[in-house]
Amino acid sequence: AAGVIQSPRHLIKEKRETATLKCYPIPRHDTVYWYQQGPGQDPQFLISFYEKMQSDKGSIPDRFSAQQFSDYHSELNMSSLELGDSALYFCASSYRTSGGAGTDTQYFGPGTRLTVL
Amino acid sequence: GQNIDQPTEMTATEGAIVQINCTYQTSGFNGLFWYQQHAGEAPTFLSYNVLDGLEEKGRFSSFLSRSKGYSYLLLKELQMKDSASYLCAVFSGNTPLVFGKGTRLSVIA
Repeated sequence: AAGVIQSPRHLIKEKRETATLKCYPIPRHDTVYWYQQGPGQDPQFLISFYEKMQSDKGSIPDRFSAQQFSDYHSELNMSSLELGDSALYFCASSYRTSGGAGTDTQYFGPGTRLTVL
Repeated sequence: GQNIDQPTEMTATEGAIVQINCTYQTSGFNGLFWYQQHAGEAPTFLSYNVLDGLEEKGRFSSFLSRSKGYSYLLLKELQMKDSASYLCAVFSGNTPLVFGKGTRLSVIA
């Protein structure tokens, strides 16, 4: 079965540079979530989109922005990168059921490992 | 507020049974997820409990008691490949998943 695709898998950037992470959800999934996971930490929710509209916002810095496109893929744009942004960035997707956001199971992509030097 | 507690680390022997507990205090509750995560890899969905009781899926079972704010993940016939972190995550209301800190399970021979 098709899974969530993320690209790139690894990314190395310098401080103050920008980065763009891409996420392709499972076909027919309409909701995308972005998480940041530091070493030894649990995933921290950043932002989510449903049907191309932002649905929830978590601990996403103002330097970051994201959007979901007409084909449901999503991009996380990160500017003015800092050393502390080094982490694994996961994208998850789900199909929203009638119960509302989050009642459906989130399936995670393999992640993008971002290293800021 | 949201608070999810689970033990930081556990060790168990290959072939044995281990129970990983999770307690939660959340402003609302719609369901509880368990995910498995190997180091450097993505969380993998294991189970989802909405109603009280036990959900069994092969070697893995998950239990929920909503009145006690308590869940556990039961792993039977442990294998070395089960060494991983196990994340408890709660969905409450219209907010995204809130994860616990995870329990790092080490399976030893």
